[in-house]
Amino acid sequence: GAVVSQHPSWVICKSGTSVKIECRSLDFQATTMFWYRQFPKQSLMLMATSNEGSKATYEQGVEKDKFLINHASLTLSTLTVTSAHPEDSSFYICSARDPSSGRNNEQFFGPGTRLTVL
Amino acid sequence: AQSVAQPEDQVNVAEGNPLTVKCTYSVSGNPYLFWYVQYPNRGLQFLLKYITGDNLVKGSYGFEAEFNKSQTSFHLKKPSALVSDSALYFCAVRASGSARQLTFGSGTQLTVLP
Repeated sequence: GAVVSQHPSWVICKSGTSVKIECRSLDFQATTMFWYRQFPKQSLMLMATSNEGSKATYEQGVEKDKFLINHASLTLSTLTVTSAHPEDSSFYICSARDPSSGRNNEQFFGPGTRLTVL
Repeated sequence: AQSVAQPEDQVNVAEGNPLTVKCTYSVSGNPYLFWYVQYPNRGLQFLLKYITGDNLVKGSYGFEAEFNKSQTSFHLKKPSALVSDSALYFCAVRASGSARQLTFGSGTQLTVLP
């Protein structure tokens, strides 16, 4: 149980285009999902907290208009990188909490999405 | 504020030898502590956690970690390393009762030499 999937697993796009990344909780309902960004050989940096049915909470320094987050259902959150540039190339990882179980203190991570912007 | 320190960027150990990956933390109140492993181009896999109770926590793949409140540490250990244990390891912390997300350490690259 507690599986989180991401789609796509990797994507290559041209500079100036927008890319959407999906994060799904497959066997539980996640009222809260988190989006992280990881540069090569670095740690995970939290970008934003996605709350179902409300606006996302962004970390300081993360551009809301560039990284659009939508959490329209209890099993799906999407991250859209708008007008992508080469410096947006990174590994994006989502995670989710399962509040209905005794594992509310755990975060379950997706497999990540490798974005390369040419 | 909460923070995690992993003082070693790289740990090398021979196969069959014991391994230790160090982690210290800072948090207000009681901590929830986690270890995750990441293989290349993959997401994080949960290894183990400390929430409360016994200070020695046993997790997946033969790993264990000891919570030391006085030293604010949560070192990851394994009695006998395998080559397949080679990966990037992250320690993470969150304050109990907090709605905040996890704060991750900088990661330690473990290399087990055959």
